[in-house]
Amino acid sequence: DVVLTQTPPTLLATIGQSVSISCRSSQSLLHSNGNTYLNWLLQRTGQSPQPLIYLVSKLESGVPNRFSGSGSGTDFTLKISGVEAEDLGVYYCMQFTHYPNTFGAGTKLELK
Amino acid sequence: QVQLKETGPGLVQPTQTLSITCTVSGFSLTSYYMQWVRQTPGKGLEWMGFIRSGGSTEYNSEFKSRLSISRDTSKNQVFLKMNSLKTEDTGVYYCALWELGYWGQGVMVTVSS
Repeated sequence: DVVLTQTPPTLLATIGQSVSISCRSSQSLLHSNGNTYLNWLLQRTGQSPQPLIYLVSKLESGVPNRFSGSGSGTDFTLKISGVEAEDLGVYYCMQFTHYPNTFGAGTKLELK
Repeated sequence: QVQLKETGPGLVQPTQTLSITCTVSGFSLTSYYMQWVRQTPGKGLEWMGFIRSGGSTEYNSEFKSRLSISRDTSKNQVFLKMNSLKTEDTGVYYCALWELGYWGQGVMVTVSS
């Protein structure tokens, strides 16, 4: 199975600070069809996961453009340019290039 | 608008079978894949499987021997059944429509005698 390793496990930030989360895959996530099926999700406390980014860098509808995704192959990054209070929660990367689809262990974003 | 809602038993005894229904609206099950994902204290988020728009299924081998996913398109419902439950299966079970970016609210399932 593809293992997704997220770092850091916990991220302390102040409002307005820019932060980045890394997601490294044990295998390349480039599919034979040319797409890279790497998504990012946010799970706020007590809520279900909310999709933020798909195909590495495309924002889901309604997601603020302070969120951005980048990367290729096995290394991916989620960046938040100016954290806001509503951004607090646990961020997950997930892949569905390879079966079984897998998730990272999560990065918890908290206020400093 | 798109909505997904899981309903299930809440409490299931070990060795018994779990049955969860995902009722959807705002789209057609014959047009999209429906996913099942669970979140447990021990393993975090785990993909369980999906049912394709055409009705065929794909399962995570972790669950394959005891998991079944089906649907009733006339009722806009997708079903998850998993047998031989263990205490480690305690967690929140979600249905999700990844292609459009929607997840259900989840249903908490506790496996305990």
